[in-house]
Amino acid sequence: AQSVSQHNHHVILSEAASLELGCNYSYGGTVNLFWYVQYPGQHLQLLLKYFSGDPLVKGIKGFEAEFIKSKFSFNLRKPSVQWSDTAEYFCAVGPLNAGNMLTFGGGTRLMVKP
Amino acid sequence: SAVISQKPSRDICQRGTSLTIQCQVDSQVTMMFWYRQQPGQSLTLIATANQGSEATYESGFVIDKFPISRPNLTFSTLTVSNMSPEDSSIYLCSGGTGTEAFFGQGTRLTVV
Repeated sequence: AQSVSQHNHHVILSEAASLELGCNYSYGGTVNLFWYVQYPGQHLQLLLKYFSGDPLVKGIKGFEAEFIKSKFSFNLRKPSVQWSDTAEYFCAVGPLNAGNMLTFGGGTRLMVKP
Repeated sequence: SAVISQKPSRDICQRGTSLTIQCQVDSQVTMMFWYRQQPGQSLTLIATANQGSEATYESGFVIDKFPISRPNLTFSTLTVSNMSPEDSSIYLCSGGTGTEAFFGQGTRLTVV
């Protein structure tokens, strides 16, 4: 069965600090990889996705993620966080050709202090 | 991006009753799914809503408890039946285009 692990449940950073959120997955096949963000009181929004090609993908709001196949990892990074990045971040995987039927990680709550 | 509209946005229900949640998606979406997000936890897939046929349920979810309909491409309902306080969660509808999944704002259900 597929599973997704996010290493950090809560992260607190000061503005301008660098961010890296870990995500590892277990899946018996080729996958699509996603990072979603949920701002307080809002719905889930897609930050970025990886299907194939360049393993370093860039998303919205300055976020990027690197797919390392040998490590089954898809870590999310941002060089300099802002207070407005305070949100919950979810890593998700979905099998190819399954219409985005996703398995989510447990989520990481990020708080950025001004 | 695709628009996913869900209603009600929240409800407080008595135990033993049922609640039906409606989801309307725009025409970009080809597949529809229902997820549950229990308090303080991540999202768990309940089922894939199949147009004109029975939904495909994930392990731990059954049709008697969570009947789902999808009479056409852009509309689906999820019913939470015979509710108990353990069903208090956010229920989310999702629409997939094949390359991306979009989510509604969810229905926050509290069972008292």
